Amino acid sequence: GQQLNQSPQSMFIQEGEDVSMNCTSSSIFNTWLWYKQDPGEGPVLLIALYKAGELTSNGRLTAQFGITRKDSFLNISASIPSDVGIYFCAGVTGANSKLTFGKGITLSVRP
Amino acid sequence: DGGITQSPKYLFRKEGQNVTLSCEQNLNHDAMYWYRQDPGQGLRLIYYSQIVNDFQKGDIAEGYSVSREKKESFPLTVTSAQKNPTAFYLCASLEYPYGYTFGSGTRLTVV
Repeated sequence: GQQLNQSPQSMFIQEGEDVSMNCTSSSIFNTWLWYKQDPGEGPVLLIALYKAGELTSNGRLTAQFGITRKDSFLNISASIPSDVGIYFCAGVTGANSKLTFGKGITLSVRP
Repeated sequence: DGGITQSPKYLFRKEGQNVTLSCEQNLNHDAMYWYRQDPGQGLRLIYYSQIVNDFQKGDIAEGYSVSREKKESFPLTVTSAQKNPTAFYLCASLEYPYGYTFGSGTRLTVV
């Protein structure tokens, strides 16, 4: 079945640093999504990407939909302590399709 | 405000008991989903429903059951056949192509 690859499982950065996360797949997706999950809560949508090559920003977050439609990256600039959490990528193939999720990257930010 | 409500937030189950987790949405979304989350495992799909009175098994349906009698409601029952039910359970609904909206989750613990 389809799988999304996110690695490493955990990342540790210093407050103020930038961080980049990749998500790759062996399958093509029509939509890429990035979610953040705080402890004990449900994931919240950060950025949605709908076209190959699309680059979208949301505050300090920037994400890109890969040209091959098999990958995406998320960049967080000037990290702050509240960026701590689990970041999931997800791909969608079509209408009413269930999402395929990566296993997530746990981000820790040292003050 | 539109959203997804999961209840209860915390649930304790004795060995051999069935328990039901509630999921209600007022987003008018057709498709709803149940995921299980374990540390380091990411999100695993239990069941999903694309329309009222219809649902399909996901990747880990054994020991679980669902119903979809109303568009707004998609309850999940964790049966005594589920041997390792302690986990965080997330309900979501889908509006294509915008992605999932998640509830805030239910943490189930076997005592």
